[in-house]
Order: sequence, then C-alpha cells, then structure tokens
Amino acid sequence: DVQLVQSGAEVKKPGESLRISCQGFGYSFTSYWIGWVRQMPGKGLEWMGTIYLGDSDTRYSPSFQGQVIISADKSTNTAYLQWIRLQASDTATYYCARNNWNYVLDYYSGLDVWGQGTTVTVSS
Amino acid sequence: QTVVTQEPSFSVSPGGTVTLTCGLNSDSVSAYYYPSWYQQTPGQPPRTLIYDTSTRSSGVPGRFSGSILGNKAALTITGAQADDDSNYYCALYMGSGVVLFGGGTKLTVL
Repeated sequence: DVQLVQSGAEVKKPGESLRISCQGFGYSFTSYWIGWVRQMPGKGLEWMGTIYLGDSDTRYSPSFQGQVIISADKSTNTAYLQWIRLQASDTATYYCARNNWNYVLDYYSGLDVWGQGTTVTVSS
Repeated sequence: QTVVTQEPSFSVSPGGTVTLTCGLNSDSVSAYYYPSWYQQTPGQPPRTLIYDTSTRSSGVPGRFSGSILGNKAALTITGAQADDDSNYYCALYMGSGVVLFGGGTKLTVL
C-alpha cells in the first residue's frame, strides 16, 4: 500500500527550531518528488516547495524561499520540513504529498498520495 | 503577482450539476498549466480528484470531470451527492517545478 506517514503534532515557542518529517512506504521513494503544502487555520492550501528524493534537488515557492528548509534522507525514505526560528504565523497544518513532476519533460500530473498532516502550533 | 482565482462559494441541489472554475489574473489557463483539482473536508487531508486537466485519479467517481472552458480550467460535478459538500481547490503548474493553488471554493449541497 502506497502511503506517506508524517510525524506527530508539535507545540513550540516563538524563536524555537523545528523539523517535521514525511516517510514514504510502498513505492520507490527515490524516483519521485515530495511536495509540502501549508494550511493555516480556517484557510486554503498553499504550495511551499518540492524535493526530489533521488538527488535532493529542491524547488521553493517564492513565498516560502528563505523561510523554510526542505531536505531529505533517501536512506530512510524520509523528507523533512524545517524552521530555524519559528514565528506565531507558522501555526498551521502541514501536508506532504507525492508530487508527480517529470522535470526532464517538464510534465506535471499533480499531487496524488497525501500524508495525514502535521499540526504545528507556535505560541508563547 | 500571479493569483489563481476560484469562486469563494457555490451551492448545488442534490442531483444537480455544478461547474467550478479556476482562472489566472495574468493569463488564460490552458492545458499547459496542467490543472489539477483536490477535494477537502474539514479535518482531513486533501483528496486528489483530477490531474492533467481531465484525468480522474484512481477511485474517483465518474460524476467528477475536468476540462478547459474558455480561458479557465473547470471541474464539473454531474449528479451532485450530499457527500460532495466540501472545499475544492485547483492547482496550476507554473513551470520550473513551482505550483500555485487557488483560494478554494466551498461547495454546499442543499
């Protein structure tokens, strides 16, 4: 069964660092891109960026460039989303999803498998 | 700044047909933007409905269809059911691996 399993909910203080994870099962993880999507409370989906697990090639949305770090460890089929210094405005649910982008042909076929989401609460 | 536009809300009667649209403030949407559509109910992760304009994701009922209508991407639900009452998001591929979501449409089935 193809699935993405995300790490559990986090409660942090402003200024703290955090890394959340997304582990893939049931498919060849290193042959796909993983995307990260933010959903602030009561709001819509926002695409943050994507990473290719084969070589860690990473692309960021301009809105999130410099605000977060996307990384991966192909030995454990895991992608990560990291903050160096959290702000209250980072409070949201974060989803990872398998991102079907063929970068050689520049053909895109959407996000298909989704993680269950990780809720991050940043409050003093 | 490029913005993907969706109707904030829509309503449809059970059994009725509704078309949600997805546009761009700076261009016409064509198949080259590889439009995709996602359904989300509160507290749940999104579910993929349509990708590459009109291809249904595995397990998605045939009452959901995608197309290009004029200068926008469109999601049509034919024979709406009560459990179609959800939020719907479109996403467009902007090139170089970057994707942009629309603000979402809240669909009410009543």
